[in-house]
Amino acid sequence: GAVVSQHPSWVICKSGTSVKIECRSLDFQATTMFWYRQFPKQSLMLMATSNEGSKATYEQGVEKDKFLINHASLTLSTLTVTSAHPEDSSFYICSARPGTTAEAFFGQGTRLTVV
Amino acid sequence: QKEVEQDPGPLSVPEGAIVSLNCTYSNSAFQYFMWYRQYSRKGPELLMYTYSSGNKEDGRFTAQVDKSSKYISLFIRDSQPSDSATYLCAMSVNNNDMRFGAGTRLTVKP
Repeated sequence: GAVVSQHPSWVICKSGTSVKIECRSLDFQATTMFWYRQFPKQSLMLMATSNEGSKATYEQGVEKDKFLINHASLTLSTLTVTSAHPEDSSFYICSARPGTTAEAFFGQGTRLTVV
Repeated sequence: QKEVEQDPGPLSVPEGAIVSLNCTYSNSAFQYFMWYRQYSRKGPELLMYTYSSGNKEDGRFTAQVDKSSKYISLFIRDSQPSDSATYLCAMSVNNNDMRFGAGTRLTVKP
């Protein structure tokens, strides 16, 4: 299957700082990438859909000024958590879809802890 | 009512057993149905993908979709301890908007 690489796999940051998470499709071009958040023992909640070269579409309740998404190329999307607070601590996962097929492949996830 | 319902378990079976995992949904517009396996602290791994109704088999895994009942299943034959993980069902209308079940935690005991 296709490979999606997410970096870093875990990060600890101080409250008030910003953290950038990268999502790369290694062996395919991804016109669409998705960002999810997952709390312990809960399912994935879609945060935003990112299309290459255009602004991301955010789900209701997700602050676009806090969770900045950039999809500058067909193989890279980034999520920046700005002015992080402890309540932003969570597991963030990206996925990428090659072309128009329904199969989406996920990155390894990033565990963010804000202290 | 949640859009996608999935029993969170936990489900514990002996090695070699047949495992049945299920999801129900309320949105009749869903057309794409997926099953993902997620190990602890890892991203989900795509196991099966089906479009519309019908069955699909891949090795020890069989996925079934019954759109008339809004019910999907994943069967695992000859289950192995390495199958122990959380299994997530997911579905979408048009590729862009996947909705996930809560995930079922499965433990296969040697």
